Amino acid sequence: QQQVKQSPQSLIVQKGGISIINCAYENTAFDYFPWYQQFPGKGPALLIAIRPDVSEKKEGRFTISFNKSAKQFSLHIMDSQPGDSATYFCAASETGTASKLTFGTGTRLQVTL
Amino acid sequence: ETGVTQTPRHLVMGMTNKKSLKCEQHLGHNAMYWYKQSAKKPLELMFVYNFKEQTENNSVPSRFSPECPNSSHLFLHLHTLQPEDSALYLCASSQGEAGEITEAFFGQGTRLTVV
Repeated sequence: QQQVKQSPQSLIVQKGGISIINCAYENTAFDYFPWYQQFPGKGPALLIAIRPDVSEKKEGRFTISFNKSAKQFSLHIMDSQPGDSATYFCAASETGTASKLTFGTGTRLQVTL
Repeated sequence: ETGVTQTPRHLVMGMTNKKSLKCEQHLGHNAMYWYKQSAKKPLELMFVYNFKEQTENNSVPSRFSPECPNSSHLFLHLHTLQPEDSALYLCASSQGEAGEITEAFFGQGTRLTVV
């Protein structure tokens, strides 16, 4: 499996601020890019996902921006809240591979009051 | 509750022990997965089962032995593990079939410590 590189490793944002997490991938066959959110003691849960036919997808306060030519995608959390404090993982996979996900290393987000 | 249940939640075992991890999904999915989550490393895909058939073994050492008796249950049999095998083992399921990608639902994981 080819690597998905994620940054930063950790992030501290004030309440109401914007959290930005970046990922880059190598395998041009990837065509599904989900973001997972994981709270302590829990398994990862799908937050939002995008396919490369669009450059942006927004769901509430969460937005994925996708740059196919640069092979990069990012998660933006607007109006960050303390309840958003969690570890966020980007991932990628190919159609036809039964959802075999290649994950980034994770970003631990802390939203302070 | 995600619909994917893993037991036990915590497991401590010696290097000579044999133990099994269990995963059950109540979502009617066709595909099930084992992932390993170690500190400061990406989640690593270990095994994939699609319609009870193993379709992926991601170069996992033979001391890990998966079993999928039906589409709802997945086991990971462990024997003669090493301390570096200590990690969170996550089970996931999806409705994925060839040519499709659907959301993967994860269980809460089994925290394994090898002593």
